[in-house]
Amino acid sequence: SQKIEQNSEALNIQEGKTATLTCNYTNYSPAYLQWYRQDPGRGPVFLLLIRENEKEKRKERLKVTFDTTLKQSLFHITASQPADSATYLCANGGFKTIFGAGTRLFVKA
Amino acid sequence: EAQVTQNPRYLITVTGKKLTVTCSQNMNHEYMSWYRQDPGLGLRQIYYSMNVEVTDKGDVPEGYKVSRKEKRNFPLILESPSPNQTSLYFCASSKPGTYHLTEAFFGQGTRLTVV
Repeated sequence: SQKIEQNSEALNIQEGKTATLTCNYTNYSPAYLQWYRQDPGRGPVFLLLIRENEKEKRKERLKVTFDTTLKQSLFHITASQPADSATYLCANGGFKTIFGAGTRLFVKA
Repeated sequence: EAQVTQNPRYLITVTGKKLTVTCSQNMNHEYMSWYRQDPGLGLRQIYYSMNVEVTDKGDVPEGYKVSRKEKRNFPLILESPSPNQTSLYFCASSKPGTYHLTEAFFGQGTRLTVV
């Protein structure tokens, strides 16, 4: 079955460093990938969408890459801040949506 | 303000007692969807709707019903809730592209406990 997998281990980094989160997909080739941020007890908030032919997309301190050879998307937050602490979700962007389980990010001051 | 509104936010019910969770959006979006979120499993899609009177199953539709009689509303119905439907539920809406979703907006969630 189609799967989207994210590292279930929490990522702990120091303020000011770059956080890199990974999203891998198996058994299919999505043409789009989306990234969301979710805070505890709240609904996900859309961050970025990247198309398979875009390779890289940026928004302020956020950067997303899409590598169809590795079947992987990387999500980077540069100059991370404690306010960036949250769970980050990857999704296939399709009408029948598949989400990864998310990766928790903790940014220490 | 653009928003997706779910009600109720919290609900405790007993096994077998029919319930409805409402979802309404004010962005005139064609696409709406329901998800459940369980620890370690992430968000799993229950049902989605491409437009009025058009609904389709997601990954975990068993035990749920939906209807889309108006564009703004997409209620989730549990005819006979069971304890394994205890979960955090989210409704979302989006303006669909030709082959994919654009930005999806999520509601604030409904925490359901079935005892």
